[in-house]
Amino acid sequence: DTAVSQTPKYLVTQMGNDKSIKCEQNLGHDTMYWYKQDSKKFLKIMFSYNNKELIINETVPNRFSPKSPDKAHLNLHINSLELGDSAVYFCASSNGGTGANVLTFGAGSRLTVL
Amino acid sequence: KQEVTQIPAALSVPEGENLVLNCSFTDSAIYNLQWFRQDPGKGLTSLLLIQSSQREQTSGRLNASLDKSSGRSTLYIAASQPGDSATYLCAAPQGGSEKLVFGKGTKLTVNP
Repeated sequence: DTAVSQTPKYLVTQMGNDKSIKCEQNLGHDTMYWYKQDSKKFLKIMFSYNNKELIINETVPNRFSPKSPDKAHLNLHINSLELGDSAVYFCASSNGGTGANVLTFGAGSRLTVL
Repeated sequence: KQEVTQIPAALSVPEGENLVLNCSFTDSAIYNLQWFRQDPGKGLTSLLLIQSSQREQTSGRLNASLDKSSGRSTLYIAASQPGDSATYLCAAPQGGSEKLVFGKGTKLTVNP
């Protein structure tokens, strides 16, 4: 199936731990994104990469570090997890940015920090 | 700074009714606007993308309109069905950039 796939779907962890969320797309898109949806359902962009190059880096703590080994993958590593990091993290991709192109989203990774 | 507002926050209608969801944005210097659907526990599905040069875009029972001058977009759903129940979000770029700013969505419930 052509899609944006994220793993894990659910992640429960203790404060202070380090965790990673992986994202892969097989759509041949050149741009990938990470979005955060908080408890109030507000969806905000965190990062975007185009062909492995960082394009957008919103004001997020530097505990969040994206890594793009190739244009089909964009992983999110989070250090020293805090309670406020609990949210659903969505990966998305598009071809050539959102200027004229549709975003395709993954199903989301629900992170719960205890 | 782009701000996107969606009204109403929730809407409940009987099956078969036609309905309109509203989206307003503060920065009209946009090159497109997108409408998405989100089902509970799932990601977003793109429904329609309207370019700034267009006034309307249609897909099946869905019709989206864009009025840049007034900073408004509407999503019209004809002959609603229970399967249309979901949260509908609109998103507009910020300042001509690649950053999409999302509204908080309208949660639609279509009752059989």
